Amino acid sequence: EVQLVQSGAEVKKPGESLRISCKGSGYSFTSYWISWVRQMPGKGLEWMGRIDPSDSYTNYSPSFQGHVTISADKSISTAYLQWSSLKASDTAMYYCARLDFDWFDPWGQGTLVTVSS
Amino acid sequence: QPVLTQPPSASASLGASVTLTCTLSSGYSNYKVDWYQQRPGKGPRFVMRVGTGGIVGSKGDGIPDRFSVLGSGLNRYLTIKNIQEEDESDYHCGADHGSGSNFTWVFGGGTKLTVL
Repeated sequence: EVQLVQSGAEVKKPGESLRISCKGSGYSFTSYWISWVRQMPGKGLEWMGRIDPSDSYTNYSPSFQGHVTISADKSISTAYLQWSSLKASDTAMYYCARLDFDWFDPWGQGTLVTVSS
Repeated sequence: QPVLTQPPSASASLGASVTLTCTLSSGYSNYKVDWYQQRPGKGPRFVMRVGTGGIVGSKGDGIPDRFSVLGSGLNRYLTIKNIQEEDESDYHCGADHGSGSNFTWVFGGGTKLTVL
């Protein structure tokens, strides 16, 4: 079964750093791009960026460029999304998703990030 | 890049049919759109991709035959027949744009479907 399993919920303070993960299984991890998608409370989906795990090539939405870093470790079939200095406005659910042909399938179960002082 | 517009809400009675609409902004009538279902408290799930010629590729795993799509002009439609309680979800449409370093993906605001 193809699946993406994300790391657990996080509670952080403003200014702290954070890295969340997304582990792929059931397929060749280096053959498909991984994207990250944000969903703020009660809102829609926002595409943040993507990574090619075979060579770690990335591109970002202009809205997120410079605010987050996407990386991958192909040796353990895991992609990451990280922040160096969190803000309260980063509070959201974050999903990873595999780009299968031209659509996202499957999606991870989501990681809730709460940033509060 | 395109803008995708969805009505915020829709409702239908159990056993009835409903059509959800995703409208592309002007100039993007040749774009294909993906539909995703998001049940309460869950992550999104791929439903299917649609262009002006109808479905592109295959439906997502476990998507019943009651779900179908159509594309016309700037509109991309998702129709659900014989609505069941488990169809109550948020439905998001999305489309890719550009390539390489200019690649981006846009989503509509989502439609919350209530089953009456």
